[in-house]
Amino acid sequence: NAGVTQTPKFQVLKTGQSMTLQCAQDMNHNSMYWYRQDPGMGLRLIYYSASEGTTDKGEVPNGYNVSRLNKREFSLRLESAAPSQTSVYFCASSEISSYTDTQYFGPGTRLTVL
Amino acid sequence: QKEVEQNSGPLSVPEGAIASLNCTYSDRVSQSFFWYRQYSGKSPELIMSIYSNGDKEDGRFTAQLNKASQYVSLLIRDSQPSDSATYLCAVKGGGSTLGRLYFGRGTQLTVWP
Repeated sequence: NAGVTQTPKFQVLKTGQSMTLQCAQDMNHNSMYWYRQDPGMGLRLIYYSASEGTTDKGEVPNGYNVSRLNKREFSLRLESAAPSQTSVYFCASSEISSYTDTQYFGPGTRLTVL
Repeated sequence: QKEVEQNSGPLSVPEGAIASLNCTYSDRVSQSFFWYRQYSGKSPELIMSIYSNGDKEDGRFTAQLNKASQYVSLLIRDSQPSDSATYLCAVKGGGSTLGRLYFGRGTQLTVWP
């Protein structure tokens, strides 16, 4: 039982390049989330998927797209990377979007955009 | 915009002391409150959740919630150097934002031997 996995762990991009961050969970959770964490800023929600087949914008969605490929997988795409997207990206999952459920986090992807 | 504010820190306490971490939130309909611990370079891990007014104890950790004052705190008794980390307060949105977590910026705690 690996929990939440993310690939890659590290990535360096040049401005304008594109890439997809992958996330998978093996806990049979319905809901999945993408956050970014910048120094001194806490965690900010980019997009989330309450259940398979649905996605919604969070606080900072500009410059990103997501795909909920199936119940297990939720990917985040940067179409044209910008230096402002240099950050640590965390994927999380939870069973259902009730008020009691807990979110579990993956190990993160450290992205640098030059 | 839902706000979650934490005491800015950093907080430094000696080994064996009580560390007190505080958090206030703006959304009155929030029902769920969480404390995550994050070691440097690692992902957040849940250490406490609390849903009702009052205290909730788990080992050396006690979470306190006061919904009327929109205040949640975390006490760490008998602090250990291994407790040195950043502590994130998170509040789950209510109503149309049910399921979403709103995080504070975190309080960095250092426990010195």
